[in-house]
Amino acid sequence: AQSVTQLGSHVSVSEGALVLLRCNYSSSVPPYLFWYVQYPNQGLQLLLKYTSAATLVKGINGFEAEFKKSETSFHLTKPSAHMSDAAEYFCAVSGAYKLSFGAGTTVTVRA
Amino acid sequence: DGGITQSPKYLFRKEGQNVTLSCEQNLNHDAMYWYRQDPGQGLRLIYYSQIVNDFQKGDIAEGYSVSREKKESFPLTVTSAQKNPTAFYLCASSIVNQNTGELFFGEGSRLTVL
Repeated sequence: AQSVTQLGSHVSVSEGALVLLRCNYSSSVPPYLFWYVQYPNQGLQLLLKYTSAATLVKGINGFEAEFKKSETSFHLTKPSAHMSDAAEYFCAVSGAYKLSFGAGTTVTVRA
Repeated sequence: DGGITQSPKYLFRKEGQNVTLSCEQNLNHDAMYWYRQDPGQGLRLIYYSQIVNDFQKGDIAEGYSVSREKKESFPLTVTSAQKNPTAFYLCASSIVNQNTGELFFGEGSRLTVL
């Protein structure tokens, strides 16, 4: 069965600093991987997705993620954090009939 | 604009009462899903439906029921048998023949049991 593990439930960064959110996956087949963002009391919005094309995937709001098969990782990065990046972020992997989500990482941005 | 509409956004229930959460989509998607979200646990799948008049249990279906009488609608009933119903509930949809499995989400419904 496919699964993902997000390392770190909370990340605090200064405005303008690098944002790095870690996600490792487990899959018996080549995976499709996703990063979603959730603002308080709202649904999830797709940031980016990996579908076996380019290993470096660019998404919305300046985020990108790199698929590394050798490390079974799909870490999310943004070079310069903005106050509006404060939210919860979820990594997910596609299975036979559903997406399986990680536990989430809450990002706090300090002024 | 196409999207998924969940209602109500906030709902309070007394113990022992059933409550139904509405989910409507106008994206013409075949598949619809209900997820439950609890702090620190991510999203867990309750039920999903890939076609009208058919649905399947997810990982935590006990105490919940659904119906899929129309393509656009997938209501979730939280029954009195659900021991810990206070949570944030998210409805989602997807294109069945899209092999990536990407989901589109509604804004969520927050249920609180008093």
